[in-house]
Amino acid sequence: DAMVIQNPRYQVTQFGKPVTLSCSQTLNHNVMYWYQQKSSQAPKLLFHYYDKDFNNEADTPDNFQSRRPNTSFCFLDIRSPGLGDAAMYLCATSEGPGVPYEQYFGPGTRLTVT
Amino acid sequence: KQEVTQIPAALSVPEGENLVLNCSFTDSAIYNLQWFRQDPGKGLTSLLLIQSSQREQTSGRLNASLDKSSGRSTLYIAASQPGDSATYLCAGRDDKIIFGKGTRLHILP
Repeated sequence: DAMVIQNPRYQVTQFGKPVTLSCSQTLNHNVMYWYQQKSSQAPKLLFHYYDKDFNNEADTPDNFQSRRPNTSFCFLDIRSPGLGDAAMYLCATSEGPGVPYEQYFGPGTRLTVT
Repeated sequence: KQEVTQIPAALSVPEGENLVLNCSFTDSAIYNLQWFRQDPGKGLTSLLLIQSSQREQTSGRLNASLDKSSGRSTLYIAASQPGDSATYLCAGRDDKIIFGKGTRLHILP
């Protein structure tokens, strides 16, 4: 089945140690998104790629970066994780940007910072 | 700026009862309204998506309605089961998806 895959599902990193989360998709969608969801909070959009065009949300910290080497893969890099970065990170894809394209979500990666 | 609110934050209901989850949004100019389910520690599963031109959508025991004029959507769950226990999030869509914080639903066996 076509789907959005996130690896790993659980990631533990140390304070200040760079970490990379991975997302891949078999839907051949043009847009890939990264959301951060802290406990009992709404998912918050960090940035998205429309093809190779990177779009950063205004309030996304510089500590968060992203790479999209090809259509199928997108990575979230956290350069120096702090305790406040512990969260669920959700990847989503859509065929096109904005409306009316539905977003399809992966299972998420839960990041713990020790 | 669009804001999405879900009240209550948590709800416990005996098994077998019908229940309604509420979602309100501040900007009626949304293109669609989507309901998601999230199990503990897991990602989002899309349940129903209602386009702005629609009033409701149904899938099995689930029925979602949309009233743009009042800025409200409801998710109706019929004959609740313990397996329905999860967090339910609604999300309004203009140029971005804006999520509510969700309602944690617990169905009591």
